[in-house]
Amino acid sequence: GAVVSQHPSRVICKSGTSVKIECRSLDFQATTMFWYRQFPKKSLMLMATSNEGSKATYEQGVEKDKFLINHASLTLSTLTVTSAHPEDSSFYICSVPGQGTYEQYFGPGTRLTVT
Amino acid sequence: EDQVTQSPEALRLQEGESSSLNCSYTVSGLRGLFWYRQDPGKGPEFLFTLYSAGEEKEKERLKATLTKKESFLHITAPKPEDSATYLCAVQDQGGSEKLVFGKGTKLTVNP
Repeated sequence: GAVVSQHPSRVICKSGTSVKIECRSLDFQATTMFWYRQFPKKSLMLMATSNEGSKATYEQGVEKDKFLINHASLTLSTLTVTSAHPEDSSFYICSVPGQGTYEQYFGPGTRLTVT
Repeated sequence: EDQVTQSPEALRLQEGESSSLNCSYTVSGLRGLFWYRQDPGKGPEFLFTLYSAGEEKEKERLKATLTKKESFLHITAPKPEDSATYLCAVQDQGGSEKLVFGKGTKLTVNP
């Protein structure tokens, strides 16, 4: 399976500021990466699909101007939460698809707390 | 709309006490059903993919099975280190690679 890293693992920011989260595929190139969000006692929910060389595809109800995604290279995707609010506090997890398979391999996650 | 329901929400077992977790799903066309393990504060760890009814996969004390409406994760003689939240997800045959997850079953195995 794929090895995926995320940075930072935890971040605390003040309301109104922006924060960037990085997702790296460490052992192979990924033209597609996925960003999920997990609230306590809730399902993981896909936010958007990050596409290398083109715009991200956002799920219904996810504000693309608030959650900026940049797939800068075949091994790096970034999620920037702009003008963060306390309700954006959550666990953000990225994933990459397996090679030739349908499963996805997840990073360790980033805990965002907005105060 | 694809839906995944997992039961029970939480399960406590004694070490060695076998049991099963359930994942019921609704999908227009199933491309795959996936089981993951998630430890607190960590990302999900991939366990199994099942593609068609009747398929079974095994890994150590875990065995996953699939029917047209549900999947079971059987845990045989569990150990305390099997304690985790087990997540089930489905992927539709439509073009999207989106995974739709259930809320998970939190398993606690007491020594």
